[in-house]
Amino acid sequence: ETGVTQSPTHLIKTRGQQVTLRCSSQSGHNTVSWYQQALGQGPQFIFQYYREEENGRGNFPPRFSGLQFPNYSSELNVNALELDDSALYLCASGLTTETQYFGPGTRLLVL
Amino acid sequence: GDSVTQMEGPVTLSEEAFLTINCTYTATGYPSLFWYVQYPGEGLQLLLKATKADDKGSNKGFEATYRKETTSFHLEKGSVQVSDSAVYFCALKGSGNTPLVFGKGTRLSVIA
Repeated sequence: ETGVTQSPTHLIKTRGQQVTLRCSSQSGHNTVSWYQQALGQGPQFIFQYYREEENGRGNFPPRFSGLQFPNYSSELNVNALELDDSALYLCASGLTTETQYFGPGTRLLVL
Repeated sequence: GDSVTQMEGPVTLSEEAFLTINCTYTATGYPSLFWYVQYPGEGLQLLLKATKADDKGSNKGFEATYRKETTSFHLEKGSVQVSDSAVYFCALKGSGNTPLVFGKGTRLSVIA
């Protein structure tokens, strides 16, 4: 039990739609990162937030955006969904970036 | 950029067999190294980590040693159990706000 929760657990969308995924971290976890894990692959870094500011971004287009809130929750928003966005989306949080705790993930299917 | 290469699976072992999953890395500087485990239908759990050369991380009978000279961090366990069946990911993290960089994962199946 990592204390990191994500919702929803599963989601089905169609191409072109928008989706919001949510993550709730432990109190005090100032850092939150989001990763995309395609089937059979390792997680790929999307972006990271520290105290509500984005402070790192991977090789993902601007239609992937996020927010971090003062209550240690965060969101990942994806606009104009594409078939290749189908994946498991993982949220990870921690006091620092050195040790991060992962949530169970949200599995997104884009049809 | 930084990268991690781990042996491809799947790996199938009988219960009580010895496990080795190879992992090598490419990185500038001196990264921290990690092994994560992902059980079916779940997220990632940190299994063990090492932050400097020659450090040995260990947990639940698994261990891995940070070898700077060979840029490796191989995962070992002396006697696997059916409950160890999962996907294992090797990862590194550079200094500062750099993110985790993962390998592609190795699926382990342990049969009774």
